[in-house]
Amino acid sequence: GAGVSQTPSNKVTEKGKYVELRCDPISGHTALYWYRQSLGQGPEFLIYFQGTGAADDSGLPNDRFFAVRPEGSVSTLKIQRTERGDSAVYLCASSREGLHTGELFFGEGSRLTVL
Amino acid sequence: AQKVTQAQTEISVVEKEDVTLDCVYETRDTTYYLFWYKQPPSGELVFLIRRNSFDEQNEISGRYSWNFQKSTSSFNFTITASQVVDSAVYFCALSSFNKFYFGSGTKLNVKP
Repeated sequence: GAGVSQTPSNKVTEKGKYVELRCDPISGHTALYWYRQSLGQGPEFLIYFQGTGAADDSGLPNDRFFAVRPEGSVSTLKIQRTERGDSAVYLCASSREGLHTGELFFGEGSRLTVL
Repeated sequence: AQKVTQAQTEISVVEKEDVTLDCVYETRDTTYYLFWYKQPPSGELVFLIRRNSFDEQNEISGRYSWNFQKSTSSFNFTITASQVVDSAVYFCALSSFNKFYFGSGTKLNVKP
């Protein structure tokens, strides 16, 4: 596709459930980022992939959060035993240059609501 | 530690007014990049500009201009003759070592 695609756009789940959020980056972009944005806040870094490997996962809040990118393209953010505090918009971005110099292209986000 | 501060939470102006959005950053790195992104109501952040830490030249692009001053660690953004379509949340960001640090954003309301 022309841009970064994220699915689902909205996800409502119950506390304790497992959720998966998918990101399809721009074709050819080697770098992929996940961010979390709470209401009224800026995006907060979660994890960065360069190719298939997680180059930096220092932003993941705890071990309930995990992300994969098995073939170096599509990425899935997985959240186990969801808590109400996990409610936020999860943003995915990709970058052609793969370095911190690059412009990030963002998807429209997946809004997660944990009841 | 890296930090970006956007002290203005929300600004309201009337169409055709000029408006400046402030951004102050903190970093110990000598090489870094600064960005501005726009987030319209649809939610998708849109890239506006990138500057590297070695280039302090101000930049103008149409109605947009940016003032980068290393001495004050500021990277301010000015919209001249604002339009209703400029209404959005604007984020300033700092990048270093593959991490982007975003400010909390400034919501700009441009009224007709």
